[in-house]
Amino acid sequence: AQSVTQLGSHVSVSEGALVLLRCNYSSSVPPYLFWYVQYPNQGLQLLLKYTSAATLVKGINGFEAEFKKSETSFHLTKPSAHMSDAAEYFCAVKPGTASKLTFGTGTRLQVTL
Amino acid sequence: GAGVSQSPSNKVTEKGKDVELRCDPISGHTALYWYRQSLGQGLEFLIYFQGNSAPDKSGLPSDRFSAERTGGSVSTLTIQRTQQEDSAVYLCASSPGDRNEAFFGQGTRLTVV
Repeated sequence: AQSVTQLGSHVSVSEGALVLLRCNYSSSVPPYLFWYVQYPNQGLQLLLKYTSAATLVKGINGFEAEFKKSETSFHLTKPSAHMSDAAEYFCAVKPGTASKLTFGTGTRLQVTL
Repeated sequence: GAGVSQSPSNKVTEKGKDVELRCDPISGHTALYWYRQSLGQGLEFLIYFQGNSAPDKSGLPSDRFSAERTGGSVSTLTIQRTQQEDSAVYLCASSPGDRNEAFFGQGTRLTVV
């Protein structure tokens, strides 16, 4: 069975600082991996996805993530945080075809001045 | 429509009543998911439909919960004899294929009083 672990339910960074949100997965087959963002009182929006092409994936709003098979990780990064990045971030895994999409418990990002 | 549509957007019901939540996926999307998000919590998988295959019902929390997808399009999630712990936002998502991301609706906020 697949699973996703997001380390840190809350992360706080200063504006302009590096953002690093951690995601580790388990899957018995090569997975498809996703990061979603949920702004307050809004729906989920896709940030980026890995579908077995390039291991470094670039998404919207300056975010990127690197798929590391040896570490079973798909951490989300952004070089410089903006106040507008404050939101809940969810990592999700889909192990191969015809399978369900499983989400992690989410990480709430706070950006301070 | 352009996106996933869920109705109603809000539902208040009395404990013990049955409720039906509707999801209109994006036209042509073969996969459809239901998730539940409780206040401040992550996304709890409920059920997954993929084309004509038997649905993955492994996330349904009890036999009070059921879902169907008619004609490979519209889906209805039914909760019988609602309980206060069923209060949550119920999210529907659809996807055009296995390698693709899921597109989420705005959700139905269910409150059981």
